[in-house]
Amino acid sequence: GAVVSQHPSRVICKSGTSVKIECRSLDFQATTMFWYRQFPKQSLMLMATSNEGSKATYEQGVEKDKFLINHASLTLSTLTVTSAHPEDSSFYICSARDPGGGDEQFFGPGTRLTVL
Amino acid sequence: AQSVTQLDSQVPVFEEAPVELRCNYSSSVSVYLFWYVQYPNQGLQLLLKYLSGSTLVKGINGFEAEFNKSQTSFHLRKPSVHISDTAEYFCAVRANNDMRFGAGTRLTVKP
Repeated sequence: GAVVSQHPSRVICKSGTSVKIECRSLDFQATTMFWYRQFPKQSLMLMATSNEGSKATYEQGVEKDKFLINHASLTLSTLTVTSAHPEDSSFYICSARDPGGGDEQFFGPGTRLTVL
Repeated sequence: AQSVTQLDSQVPVFEEAPVELRCNYSSSVSVYLFWYVQYPNQGLQLLLKYLSGSTLVKGINGFEAEFNKSQTSFHLRKPSVHISDTAEYFCAVRANNDMRFGAGTRLTVKP
């Protein structure tokens, strides 16, 4: 199957700083990418849907000014957690849809964010 | 919007025993159904999916699932589990462009 990568895999930052997480589709062009958040021992919660060249669509309750999403190319989407706080500590997973591959959705390996 | 219910949060079984992980969904439109496995600190790996056609779907690692439209279920089964199957399993339903996940089932295989 297609491959989606995330960078970094782990990040520790101080409260008040901003952190950028990259999501790349390595062997296909993804017009749509998704960002999920997963708390320990819980399911994945969709945060936003990102379409290349347009603004992301955020789920209810997700602050768009805090979680900035940029989908500048067909292979790259970034999630920036601005002014991070300890409650933002979580596992962030991105996903990309392959329109040429039966529209299947492929998941990245996740990024563990810890805010001190 | 569609929703997914995984009826068991934890399922402990002994090695080589059969296992069934239950999943029910609700949706007002037709859906695609998926099962994913997640190992600690990793992303999701697709086990199998139902898009259309035969209601019995076979996936990787010896897993299979059966789509039952009348009962709105998509239970995952394996006839004989291994220690390496210990992981978190997520059922997901996709309608239009929206994929939703169940709460997950922790499968623990004991020797």
